[in-house]
Amino acid sequence: AQKVTQAQTEISVVEKEDVTLDCVYETRDTTYYLFWYKQPPSGELVFLIRRNSFDEQNEISGRYSWNFQKSTSSFNFTITASQVVDSAVYFCALSVPVKAAGNKLTFGGGTRVLVKP
Amino acid sequence: KAGVTQTPRYLIKTRGQQVTLSCSPISGHRSVSWYQQTPGQGLQFLFEYFSETQRNKGNFPGRFSGRQFSNSRSEMNVSTLELGDSALYLCASSLGTGAPYEQYFGPGTRLTVT
Repeated sequence: AQKVTQAQTEISVVEKEDVTLDCVYETRDTTYYLFWYKQPPSGELVFLIRRNSFDEQNEISGRYSWNFQKSTSSFNFTITASQVVDSAVYFCALSVPVKAAGNKLTFGGGTRVLVKP
Repeated sequence: KAGVTQTPRYLIKTRGQQVTLSCSPISGHRSVSWYQQTPGQGLQFLFEYFSETQRNKGNFPGRFSGRQFSNSRSEMNVSTLELGDSALYLCASSLGTGAPYEQYFGPGTRLTVT
């Protein structure tokens, strides 16, 4: 079984501060995919990034960056120079490919980010 | 490309009734997944349909069912509604083949059961 834990339930920062969201996952599979999604107040989940278990290279995309460490089963996400529009709930998710069994996402509990002006 | 659409956006039903929710995926996507989001249980996977076949199912009672049509549109049905079924129901579409690619979510249907 898979499990995703986001220990931080809520983070409050002032605009322009950096925000790092923690994510720890559990799976016995060697092939898996990790995702981050953003859920603004409107309710729609917005895809942000995807990484597979074979690629631990950390990247930066605009103000977003992520740190994937298989040794600690962590997939942390950072927003640099936060803006008020970044206020949302952020979800980390895990998917394990199973032949002919599709594409199921296991989500963490989410971290609410509040960016104050 | 148009995004994932879900109808209706809001619904109020009474205990014991049944409800049908609809989801239209992104054009070209053949997989549709359904998730339930509640404050207590978070986001939970209900089921996934690909090419009109259910190929994955979460841990929900048989009152929750779904189907997919030949144009990839999907419907989800909940029979004999209970108060605990009040939730945001999210539909997601993806290509459905190959690796678990990202799923694109619709705005959701907020169901309130009274």
